[in-house]
Amino acid sequence: NAGVMQNPRHLVRRRGQEARLRCSPMKGHSHVYWYRQLPEEGLKFMVYLQKENIIDESGMPKERFSAEFPKEGPSILRIQQVVRGDSAAYFCASSPQLGGGLNVYEQYFGPGTRLTVT
Amino acid sequence: GESVGLHLPTLSVQEGDNSIINCAYSNSASDYFIWYKQESGKGPQFIIDIRSNMDKRQGQRVTVLLNKTVKHLSLQIAATQPGDSAVYFCAEKVVYGNKLVFGAGTILRVKS
Repeated sequence: NAGVMQNPRHLVRRRGQEARLRCSPMKGHSHVYWYRQLPEEGLKFMVYLQKENIIDESGMPKERFSAEFPKEGPSILRIQQVVRGDSAAYFCASSPQLGGGLNVYEQYFGPGTRLTVT
Repeated sequence: GESVGLHLPTLSVQEGDNSIINCAYSNSASDYFIWYKQESGKGPQFIIDIRSNMDKRQGQRVTVLLNKTVKHLSLQIAATQPGDSAVYFCAEKVVYGNKLVFGAGTILRVKS
């Protein structure tokens, strides 16, 4: 049973270019979360999506950042016109469902995409 | 606003000793807490979780304690091993939401 998959693992972009980060959740999971991590810091929530819906985007910057989770295919985090401050590790997590017994809020993380903006 | 903080940024322990990693949280509305382990270059790995209606939960070699009175969470690792060396994060989930709020992390170094 494959875990959460993210690609690419490393991405280098020049300032002004676009970055597209992909996330395939665990099989059977319909909830996807994106987090950003700066060096030696904790993860910061960005956005929470279910299939075709954005549920919570309270952590997303107002400009240049967007996310989607289409009916078919992976979730995409898109950063337009990247700047050096966007350099970070971006992690995707997935979970199976809400409510119910213990562990159902557990989020399973992928290996991350390390974005470097030059 | 929401915040989760850790008391000690780095903890060094001798192999075989017990480790205790502490975490303070500020949001009394949080109803679920998780400890994650993150090794260099990898994503966070689930260790153990606890709901707010519990004060203790045990796993294999790990125990999480929750003190809601003082908003404190701790992770105890028994017989610490070199493979336990990593950064440990506590995270909280606020009721009626699904996002996790992470602390800054504690580096655990195990000396052989």
